[in-house]
Amino acid sequence: DVVMTQSPLSLPVTLGQPASISCRSSQSLVYSDGNTYLNWFQHRPGQSPRRLIYKVSYRESGVPDRFSGSGSGTDFTLKISRVEAEDVGVYYCMQGTRGVTFGPGTKVDIK
Amino acid sequence: QVQLVQSGAEVKKPGASVKLSCKASGYTFTSYPIHWVRQAPGQRLEWMGWINAGNGNTKYSQEFQGRVTFTRDTSASTAYMELSSLRSEDTAVYYCARDLSVDWGQGTLVTVSS
Repeated sequence: DVVMTQSPLSLPVTLGQPASISCRSSQSLVYSDGNTYLNWFQHRPGQSPRRLIYKVSYRESGVPDRFSGSGSGTDFTLKISRVEAEDVGVYYCMQGTRGVTFGPGTKVDIK
Repeated sequence: QVQLVQSGAEVKKPGASVKLSCKASGYTFTSYPIHWVRQAPGQRLEWMGWINAGNGNTKYSQEFQGRVTFTRDTSASTAYMELSSLRSEDTAVYYCARDLSVDWGQGTLVTVSS
């Protein structure tokens, strides 16, 4: 099974400042079709999760461009260029290359 | 707009089964898979598997193999998840999600307690 890890697990940020979350997989997430099925989800308090980023770096429609994803192989990053109050929540990376596995989540809150 | 509306909260005793529903609207139900994901208190999201809403084919996480069954009723645009042999560790919020993307149900809390 692919194990996903994230760091940090807790991320207090100042409004307007950048934030970065790291995600690592225990195996390469490059699929046989050449794609890398690494997604990022946002889970706001009291809401259902929603996907922000798919295939490493593609933003879902309607997702603000302050969110960006990058990485390759086993190391990936989600960046928020300027954190806003509505970004508070838990962020999960998820791999869909070999089955489906979520990371432990990173809790983002405001300092 | 796409909506996934899940059935209400359930309280079950250990050893019982639970069957949840997920009613879809706003899109062609048979064109997208429905995934089931759960979150136990204080835990990460846990993928349970998915059902091809078109042909009914299923894929289950090994973690739940033998205990979970996904079905769907295309005439009602509704997907179902049945989990059997419930134990206290199955206490969680259960979500359905269209294609594991932006469209998720509101979640159903299942409490397993004697």
